Amino acid sequence: GQSLEQPSEVTAVEGAIVQINCTYQTSGFYGLSWYQQHDGGAPTFLSYNALDGLEETGRFSSFLSRSDSYGYLLLQELQMKDSASYFCAVRDTNQAGTALIFGKGTTLSVSS
Amino acid sequence: DSGVTQTPKHLITATGQRVTLRCSPRSGDLSVYWYQQSLDQGLQFLIQYYNGEERAKGNILERFSAQQFPDLHSELNLSSLELGDSALYFCASSGPDRAPDTQYFGPGTRLTVL
Repeated sequence: GQSLEQPSEVTAVEGAIVQINCTYQTSGFYGLSWYQQHDGGAPTFLSYNALDGLEETGRFSSFLSRSDSYGYLLLQELQMKDSASYFCAVRDTNQAGTALIFGKGTTLSVSS
Repeated sequence: DSGVTQTPKHLITATGQRVTLRCSPRSGDLSVYWYQQSLDQGLQFLIQYYNGEERAKGNILERFSAQQFPDLHSELNLSSLELGDSALYFCASSGPDRAPDTQYFGPGTRLTVL
């Protein structure tokens, strides 16, 4: 089957750097996506990695290692507004379409 | 604002009832996805439509059904509601103009079954 594992909670202080890891198991792999969700809000797309390496978008970076079935989201210069849940996701290859399977989510709490 | 709209925002109903959730995708997006988010199950894929046709079906109960209309808006019908159906229901859309696996989510409908 397909599954994703990520830590349930991470805490950090403003200005710090935090890394949220994700390991995945899938029968077919297209790429690893990351989504952010504030409490009660909608998930919003952050990044997508199809190839090995680091992708940087402002304060956020995402890394992928296909050989290790592993990726991470790196958040730098943390701000209070970064307190949210972060989900990694992969394409559901058991389906004909392009639906995503999401990890359980990592709740990031940023304190001052 | 993702450009995806969902109505209603909140819905409170009783067990055994039937409700309809509505979603309009981003302009130009042909794919619509429905997801259910509950505390114990996380974000679960229910069903996908592409240009009016069902494309993929996930963990969707037989009591639930959906369709996508010619104007591309979609409706999710939930019937014979049970307490366990209480959850956030999100609609998302995607299109060919973005990176793969980029889905834009609507604000969700919070369903409470009493």
